[in-house]
Order: sequence, then C-alpha cells, then structure tokens
Amino acid sequence: GAVVSQHPSWVICKSGTSVKIECRSLDFQATTMFWYRQFPKQSLMLMATSNEGSKATYEQGVEKDKFLINHASLTLSTLTVTSAHPEDSSFYICSARDTFLLAGFSYEQYFGPGTRLTVT
Amino acid sequence: QKEVEQNSGPLSVPEGAIASLNCTYSDRGSQSFFWYRQYSGKSPELIMFIYSNGDKEDGRFTAQLNKASQYVSLLIRDSQPSDSATYLCAVYNFNKFYFGSGTKLNVKP
Repeated sequence: GAVVSQHPSWVICKSGTSVKIECRSLDFQATTMFWYRQFPKQSLMLMATSNEGSKATYEQGVEKDKFLINHASLTLSTLTVTSAHPEDSSFYICSARDTFLLAGFSYEQYFGPGTRLTVT
Repeated sequence: QKEVEQNSGPLSVPEGAIASLNCTYSDRGSQSFFWYRQYSGKSPELIMFIYSNGDKEDGRFTAQLNKASQYVSLLIRDSQPSDSATYLCAVYNFNKFYFGSGTKLNVKP
C-alpha cells in the first residue's frame, strides 16, 4: 500500500525559532500533498494544498509567510513554521493524494504519521 | 454552515453491539465520501469510501450513502473495544477533503 512518512515525529523548540517538517511519499508519486493541523480534541484543519512545482494554496486564515510550504519534487513536501510561538504548538499531519482516480472522479489520500510540535 | 457535520459524542456501545455513526454534508454536488478512524495521538487511517447511493460493506463495516438527504453513515457490527476511537467523516470536493469534527466511539467490554 501507499506509504507516507513524516519527519520528525515530534519536536520541541523555543519560541522564535523555525521548524521544518518533511513529508515524503515513499512508494508513489504525489503531485498534490495536503498539510493539516489538529489541536487537541478537534478535527483536522486543512492549512494548505501543496502542488509540485508551483506555489501552495493556503486556506483562509492561514498565514503563508509564517507557514512556508515547498513541494520541490513528486515525493517531498516541506512545511516550515517560522518564528514559532506557543500557540503554534499542535499536531501537524501531511497527506499525499494518489494520482489514480477512484471510480473515475475522486482521489484517495494517504496520511503521514504526524508531527507533534511543542513550542516553549 | 460547516461543510461536514458530525455528532461529537461520545457514543458508548457494549461489546458485540452495532455502532452507528452519522454524518451530514452541505454541498449537494459532493461525489465521494470517506470514513477515517483516528486513535488518540495518531493520524487518521482510512476505513472505507463510498460514492454511490446505497450500502457498501467491508467486513464488519458498512457505509451508507443517501445523496438526496445529504447523509452518510458508518455501521460497525460486532463492535470491539479496539474500535474505540474517533471516527472522522470526510467529503472530497473541489480537489480538497473536508473533514467533520469526528465522533468519539467508546466500546465497553
């Protein structure tokens, strides 16, 4: 099956520093990857859609200058949280969208294991 | 109005019973629907997807879709304590996945 990895699985950083999270599709090519954030006991909130070779599309309310997304290859997307603050502490999850259509019109997404970020 | 709505629960069922999870969505043009299970501290894992009206069965799981009522459900037969998790409903539209807030299921031994 399709496997998506994320690195690191957890990170603790000091306020004001930047953190980079990597998302890799290991056995398939993903032209599109999604970045989600999940606060405790809440659902996944889509932050941005990352497309290989082009700029990411950010959801309303997500600061693109704070959450830098780079999708440089068909198997790698990175999310950099710049000048992190305690309120950025969250569970960040990426997913990669398969290029094959389900029933001719939909896609399946495969989730990475997530990265727990704690900003002190 | 949220795109996808779910009752947050918790829904408690005894072991061996049928658990019924419900989801409604707002965009009538939505075409594909997914159920994910998420254990605490873990990322979601796909249970099944459905895109045609009616029922779709996979082992102990049955997804039901009613596009006229804009309603999706997931039935879990012979519920096990290991099924205790949060179940997320998602709708695929306009190249994005929209998630509900999830229903927490507790299966009591």
